[in-house]
Amino acid sequence: QKEVEQNSGPLSVPEGAIASLNCTYSDRGSQSFFWYRQYSGKSPELIMFIYSNGDKEDGRFTAQLNKASQYVSLLIRDSQPSDSATYLCAVVTGNQFYFGTGTSLTVIP
Amino acid sequence: ETGVTQTPRHLVMGMTNKKSLKCEQHLGHNAMYWYKQSAKKPLELMFVYNFKEQTENNSVPSRFSPECPNSSHLFLHLHTLQPEDSALYLCASSPSWARSGDEQFFGPGTRLTVL
Repeated sequence: QKEVEQNSGPLSVPEGAIASLNCTYSDRGSQSFFWYRQYSGKSPELIMFIYSNGDKEDGRFTAQLNKASQYVSLLIRDSQPSDSATYLCAVVTGNQFYFGTGTSLTVIP
Repeated sequence: ETGVTQTPRHLVMGMTNKKSLKCEQHLGHNAMYWYKQSAKKPLELMFVYNFKEQTENNSVPSRFSPECPNSSHLFLHLHTLQPEDSALYLCASSPSWARSGDEQFFGPGTRLTVL
């Protein structure tokens, strides 16, 4: 079983809509959860991190964590074409970072 | 641009060549990492150095040889690679390897092609 699973997509949403990206993880002991954005040909850059159950908002981005169900999601409100990228979910278990394969998002103007 | 730099950005090498990738971080971090990113696969952690000491080696073939002379510099020496080693090699750093909540900062990567 993979440590971190993401739907590879592609996910397409119209400009201005809400994009919802999901991630599940296998280890109940995982402590920290990160969302990275990676543009084509570029390196990953951090968008948000979350440690506690519930929602965490930062501008147009909201991370949601449910440890009982072992999933973490990222919502992007008012999606813009510039949000088109691959979104990587990373889960920290012990001292190890485990990355998902990423979800490709395309925001259609 | 991030505080982590990598050179070269692109590298094409034959299977008999020897080359090295270089990573430098200007963030004062104590932990540095090498990752391999192949198409359709998750980022694969290769090596971790914490305070210049190697703490993780995730079953990486010996044709990849890391070197960390100080907390700011990390090298990946390559020799007798295989075509399946072609990938994007990413360097990252974080304040501490021991603290699980620390964000990792990535360099721009080296796109490696093995012919």
